[in-house]
Amino acid sequence: AQTVTQSQPEMSVQEAETVTLSCTYDTSESDYYLFWYKQPPSRQMILVIRQEAYKQQNATENRFSVNFQKAAKSFSLKISDSQLGDAAMYFCASSNSGGSNYKLTFGKGTLLTVNP
Amino acid sequence: NAGVTQTPKFQVLKTGQSMTLQCAQDMNHEYMSWYRQDPGMGLRLIHYSVGAGITDQGEVPNGYNVSRSTTEDFPLRLLSAAPSQTSVYFCASSRGLVFGNEQFFGPGTRLTVL
Repeated sequence: AQTVTQSQPEMSVQEAETVTLSCTYDTSESDYYLFWYKQPPSRQMILVIRQEAYKQQNATENRFSVNFQKAAKSFSLKISDSQLGDAAMYFCASSNSGGSNYKLTFGKGTLLTVNP
Repeated sequence: NAGVTQTPKFQVLKTGQSMTLQCAQDMNHEYMSWYRQDPGMGLRLIHYSVGAGITDQGEVPNGYNVSRSTTEDFPLRLLSAAPSQTSVYFCASSRGLVFGNEQFFGPGTRLTVL
């Protein structure tokens, strides 16, 4: 079974600063994907970034990047130049190629506050 | 494209009532699913479908039924609502199975069962 753990229920950052959200996971599968989804106050879930386990290079999407440490089973999200619109709940999630490839397994979320 | 739409946005039920949450997508996605979101729990899978006529259970299926008669629609039925079903419900769809594919989520339905 897959598990995803987000150890920071809440984080805050000053506008224009950098913040890192932590995520660890556990899986017995050899191939899997990891995701970060953002849920702003509107409730809409939005994909921020994804990483395939076989790819060594860390994924980057504009101001968002990940630090993927496969051996440590760690998948942190770095947000650079934080903006007020980044304030949201962030969920780390995983999916795998094996028997449970029909679902995402989510962490409990980290609520990010951006201070002006 | 409207993407994934859900109706209603809000609903209040009394214990024992039944209702159907509607979900539709216009992206011709094979895979659709229902999640529930509870405070401090993340999202948990209720039911999913890999195509018209094919459905299966997720992690928390008890008290819910689904059917998929068309590619576009995937309604979720609560047979006899209970207070434990108070939650926010999300429908999602993707081009194929979840592995590697972006899930497109609807705006959610906030359900309160009194």
